[in-house]
Amino acid sequence: NAGVMQNPRHLVRRRGQEARLRCSPMKGHSHVYWYRQLPEEGLKFMVYLQKENIIDESGMPKERFSAEFPKEGPSILRIQQVVRGDSAAYFCASSQWGYYGYTFGSGTRLTVV
Amino acid sequence: GENVEQHPSTLSVQEGDSAVIKCTYSDSASNYFPWYKQELGKRPQLIIDIRSNVGEKKDQRIAVTLNKTAKHFSLHITETQPEDSAVYFCAASKDTGNQFYFGTGTSLTVIP
Repeated sequence: NAGVMQNPRHLVRRRGQEARLRCSPMKGHSHVYWYRQLPEEGLKFMVYLQKENIIDESGMPKERFSAEFPKEGPSILRIQQVVRGDSAAYFCASSQWGYYGYTFGSGTRLTVV
Repeated sequence: GENVEQHPSTLSVQEGDSAVIKCTYSDSASNYFPWYKQELGKRPQLIIDIRSNVGEKKDQRIAVTLNKTAKHFSLHITETQPEDSAVYFCAASKDTGNQFYFGTGTSLTVIP
């Protein structure tokens, strides 16, 4: 089992560009969560998805951010028109239905220049 | 919503000593409390967790205690080793499938 796979590991974008972050959950996991970690801070919840459904997006900024988890393929976190304040590590986690625990991916470190 | 506070933010101990990190939570409905270890530039990794129907759980040198009445839980690391140096995060969750509310982290340094 390859674990939770995130790519790219590092992403550099200029202000105003779009960033697309991908997450493939562990085999058998149907729940995907996205968290953001600012430098030297804790992890902040962004969104919780199941296949083709957004279950909880209470942590997502209202503008420029969107997430999806299609029937086929990885979950995508999309940030449009990136700004310097979007620079952070974005972690994806997955879990099985009915289980409490998460497994985190290695993260995507987004740098906006 | 839930609010998780974690103390201390930094902790230095001599190798072989014990380390204790404490967290408090606000929502009495929270019933699952994991602890994650994050080494520099790496993913958070689950090291131990506890459910609200249990007061203490131990795994080798690591233990977690939970006081539901006081709404606090603690991580205890005994016989610390340099490889225990990392940032530790506590978290609280209400149910399966719910988001985790994380503390702000404790940077632990074990001095050889």
